[in-house]
Amino acid sequence: DSGVTQTPKHLITATGQRVTLRCSPRSGDLSVYWYQQSLDQGLQFLIQYYNGEERAKGNILERFSAQQFPDLHSELNLSSLELGDSALYFCASSPAGGWTGELFFGEGSRLTVL
Amino acid sequence: SQQGEEDPQALSIQEGENATMNCSYKTSINNLQWYRQNSGRGLVHLILIRSNEREKHSGRLRVTLDTSKKSSSLLITASRAADTASYFCATARDTGRRALTFGSGTRLQVQP
Repeated sequence: DSGVTQTPKHLITATGQRVTLRCSPRSGDLSVYWYQQSLDQGLQFLIQYYNGEERAKGNILERFSAQQFPDLHSELNLSSLELGDSALYFCASSPAGGWTGELFFGEGSRLTVL
Repeated sequence: SQQGEEDPQALSIQEGENATMNCSYKTSINNLQWYRQNSGRGLVHLILIRSNEREKHSGRLRVTLDTSKKSSSLLITASRAADTASYFCATARDTGRRALTFGSGTRLQVQP
C-alpha cells in the first residue's frame, strides 16, 4: 500500500459526459501528479500540483482540468468525454523535502467511455 | 510523447533464469528509475540510479546506466513467477522538474 488513495476505482460513462477523479496523496506529501495510461499511448504525464499550485503541465487536453485543494487532495476533471479517453488514470505523490526521486502511485481509476 | 523506449517489449523466461530489460532515452537526465506494474495495478518503485552512477544493486536487481549512450538496463537474477509484471523505466530531467517521463515498458512473463 503506497498510501495514495484514488476514487473511484472503476467508472463507466458515456461519450459527452463529465467525470471527476479524486486523489488523496500520502500524508505529508505536497506534490500530486496525474498520469494517463492507455494501450496506445502508454503512460503519459498530465499535470503536477505542488501545495495547491500548478507546477508542471504535460500532455493534458483542454477538455481536462485539475486542481489541488488546501487539504492537498486533488481532483482531475474530464469533460466532453470521447471513446479515446478510456484509460487508467493514476495519481502519484512525492514529499516536499528530502526527496529521493521516487513517486508513490495510487492504484488508479479505470475509466471506460462507451 | 515517450522519453524512453524499452526493449524487448515482451519477454518470457523460465523460473530461475535471469531477465534483462533495456531502456533508451532521449534527453539529458538527473536520474533514471525503474518501476514495476502488476496487471492493472499501480506502479511500484524498484530502484533509482543517478546520472553520476554507473551501476546499482538492490537484492536481485541490478541496474546499469550509460549516459553516453543514453541507455540503462535492468537485470533481475534468479527470476520467480511472482516477478511476472510490466517493468518501466522513467527519467527525471536535469532541470529539476520532478514529473517523470516513462518508457513504453517490458512485459515480463516468468513461467513456473
